[in-house]
Amino acid sequence: DAGITQSPRHKVTETGTPVTLRCHQTENHRYMYWYRQDPGHGLRLIHYSYGVKDTDKGEVSDGYSVSRSKTEDFLLTLESATSSQTSVYFCANWAGQSNQPQHFGDGTRLSIL
Amino acid sequence: AQKITQTQPGMFVQEKEAVTLDCTYDTSDQSYGLFWYKQPSSGEMIFLIYQGSYDEQNATEGRYSLNFQKARKSANLVISASQLGDSAMYFCAMRYNSGTYKYIFGTGTRLKVLA
Repeated sequence: DAGITQSPRHKVTETGTPVTLRCHQTENHRYMYWYRQDPGHGLRLIHYSYGVKDTDKGEVSDGYSVSRSKTEDFLLTLESATSSQTSVYFCANWAGQSNQPQHFGDGTRLSIL
Repeated sequence: AQKITQTQPGMFVQEKEAVTLDCTYDTSDQSYGLFWYKQPSSGEMIFLIYQGSYDEQNATEGRYSLNFQKARKSANLVISASQLGDSAMYFCAMRYNSGTYKYIFGTGTRLKVLA
């Protein structure tokens, strides 16, 4: 068990509102990732973090920001949600050892009306 | 550009038979990692198997094996003796080892095991 908790697990909100998704890990792994999953696209990387306050963009970062003020928490923020951001969001962590995989949280289903 | 391609959107296999799920990748890096994940209908992502780009032997984990052909840039997943519980979505993924440690995923293959 990788010990990743995502909150909330489900959220429905309206276009234009800010939304923050939280990812919490218990292992203190250095690397953390946010993905979105949409039909026909698999998982696409939004942002990732390689340490406290160290973050970088993924392939679909427009409209999203992240923060990592402590090792265990990685926050994903939609500053002004749009319907195109309706998706399932997954957080993952990685210990940094080459033969070890990412481990994922259970996902957050976000609907923007 | 780095890319993962899974050309089989859906597949069927008879229970107890073996099945191969295809994955090709494109990278100019020499060091990378290849992964397969299973996503059942409940939605969680389950790690199955890993292959490093410098590993000379194909990875195996129980009924899962990874047919790694580096020159062809393919990393096919072989599931032996399929079970009904193997019905799920399967994703191939690659991790860059060139400093960024990003991952990219394929679009997935939905496998249905028939009784």
